[in-house]
Amino acid sequence: ETGVTQSPTHLIKTRGQQVTLRCSSQSGHNTVSWYQQALGQGPQFIFQYYREEENGRGNFPPRFSGLQFPNYSSELNVNALELDDSALYLCASSLANRGRHGYTFGSGTRLTVV
Amino acid sequence: GESVGLHLPTLSVQEGDNSIINCAYSNSASDYFIWYKQESGKGPQFIIDIRSNMDKRQGQRVTVLLNKTVKHLSLQIAATQPGDSAVYFCAENSGGSNYKLTFGKGTLLTVNP
Repeated sequence: ETGVTQSPTHLIKTRGQQVTLRCSSQSGHNTVSWYQQALGQGPQFIFQYYREEENGRGNFPPRFSGLQFPNYSSELNVNALELDDSALYLCASSLANRGRHGYTFGSGTRLTVV
Repeated sequence: GESVGLHLPTLSVQEGDNSIINCAYSNSASDYFIWYKQESGKGPQFIIDIRSNMDKRQGQRVTVLLNKTVKHLSLQIAATQPGDSAVYFCAENSGGSNYKLTFGKGTLLTVNP
């Protein structure tokens, strides 16, 4: 059974640019959630995808968007990057009917905006 | 608004001692709580969870206590080992179809040999 894999592991972007982060969910999981973790803080919920549709969103602006594909993998896109977007971006997968009880987190993508 | 907070940002213990990490929450609708361990360079790892209809749950070397009256949660680690050194987060969920977790800021546990 494979876990959650995220790519890339590290990324440096310039303010104003756009970035795409990728996540492959754990085998058998059909729901993907994305979290932003600033340095020294707990993860903050961005949004969740189930059946290729957004299934809830946290307090993040529209320039944060996502996709889920038929194989349940997911992308997080951030447009018009700001310095404050620098953070660790975590993907978590789960099986919908187990929801909160079955989250598995990936190791994250460290994004630095300069 | 809902929030989950921690009383102590850092905790240093001697190997073999018991550790207690505390967490306060403010959302009365919270009905499910999870403790996560996060090591450097890794994502959060599930430790133990508890539902609001319980006040205590035990795992291997870990115990979670829930006091709904004062909205307080604690994680007890018995016989702390150097491998327990990490940041510990409590997280809460208030149910519904959106399985959003609200995390606290975390406590850095350092175990001295």
